[in-house]
Amino acid sequence: GAVVSQHPSWVICKSGTSVKIECRSLDFQATTMFWYRQFPKQSLMLMATSNEGSKATYEQGVEKDKFLINHASLTLSTLTVTSAHPEDSSFYICSTQRDYSEEQYFGPGTRLTVT
Amino acid sequence: AQSVSQHNHHVILSEAASLELGCNYSYGGTVNLFWYVQYPGQHLQLLLKYFSGDPLVKGIKGFEAEFIKSKFSFNLRKPSVQWSDTAEYFCAVYNFNKFYFGSGTKLNVKP
Repeated sequence: GAVVSQHPSWVICKSGTSVKIECRSLDFQATTMFWYRQFPKQSLMLMATSNEGSKATYEQGVEKDKFLINHASLTLSTLTVTSAHPEDSSFYICSTQRDYSEEQYFGPGTRLTVT
Repeated sequence: AQSVSQHNHHVILSEAASLELGCNYSYGGTVNLFWYVQYPGQHLQLLLKYFSGDPLVKGIKGFEAEFIKSKFSFNLRKPSVQWSDTAEYFCAVYNFNKFYFGSGTKLNVKP
């Protein structure tokens, strides 16, 4: 499988601050990356699809202005949680997908704790 | 929209026991089916996948899954589990250009 990295792996921030999470595709250039959120004891929920060079496509119910996604290059997508609140505390996972393939490769995830 | 159900949230087995984890999905059209595994402290890894053809799919580490279209199911099996199989297992369905995941099953294998 392909290698996907995320940074940081764990972050604590105070309410009202913003946090940026990076997702890098190390093995191939990824036109498309995905951002998921995982709540305890629940499944991964797709938040948005990140497209290189264009605006991200957000899933219903996900606030675009709160979860800013930037896919500035074919190997890097970033998720910025703006004005974080305790309810934003979660595990955020990114994935990459090769063109013309349904298979996705997942990063190790970032645990965000908002105090 | 698609939904994916995993019936067992937590399974505890002794080594050498047989394993079957259930997975059902809701949408009846053409789907691609996956099982992913997440070992403690690691990222999600692909165990096996079904796109078409033989409904019995073999994956890595001795795992297999059977696609039963009439039951909307894609159950994961392993004849004899090992302690190293302790992990969380996620069933996933790909259609409408998206992945839909089940809630996961935590498997604990006692040595």
